[in-house]
Amino acid sequence: DAKTTQPPSMDCAEGRAANLPCNHSTISGNEYVYWYRQIHSQGPQYIIHGLKNNETNEMASLIITEDRKSSTLILPHATLRDTAVYYCIVRSSSGSARQLTFGSGTQLTVLP
Amino acid sequence: DTGVSQDPRHKITKRGQNVTFRCDPISEHNRLYWYRQTLGQGPEFLTYFQNEAQLEKSRLLSDRFSAERPKGSFSTLEIQRTEQGDSAMYLCASSLGSAGVTGELFFGEGSRLTVL
Repeated sequence: DAKTTQPPSMDCAEGRAANLPCNHSTISGNEYVYWYRQIHSQGPQYIIHGLKNNETNEMASLIITEDRKSSTLILPHATLRDTAVYYCIVRSSSGSARQLTFGSGTQLTVLP
Repeated sequence: DTGVSQDPRHKITKRGQNVTFRCDPISEHNRLYWYRQTLGQGPEFLTYFQNEAQLEKSRLLSDRFSAERPKGSFSTLEIQRTEQGDSAMYLCASSLGSAGVTGELFFGEGSRLTVL
């Protein structure tokens, strides 16, 4: 699976959009971009995933660049409960790569 | 609550003792995963089951670690002769997957192990 690069930490004002970047320059054609988050003392929680088209669900939007070498997770109206570590993961949905490989993630702190 | 439950949530033990963690996945999920997480790091993959078959094991899973999923439902992770370096959060996750496709993973809240 391709490696990802994320900033170690970011702050965001409550009510504002939080834009979390992720670089995955070695991504291959069959690899998806997944985002999970982990609130303190809890297990990771799935947020969203995509292949090449932008995706949106009730939690967030995922914007993937045309060359697929980077992506941005957008939380449109961040709340204090969105404070968490956000993990960007690139993985194939097929073959033996069944497990997720987590990096160190981005600590997002939403400020009141 | 994701529907994945782990027990116990916290365990303190002395070095050299054996410990066992249990994971009850979401009932219809055929895939079950164990991860380990140390402070400040992301979770690290340990092992994976599809139904009762253990299909993959990480190099992190030393011979002191054993995992089972005897009836394809709950799973146990046993650590024998614990060492201080085993202190970590042990996370279980489950998913519903078919051939070649893995759905999203649902994680439990973890079992925190402290080895004194």
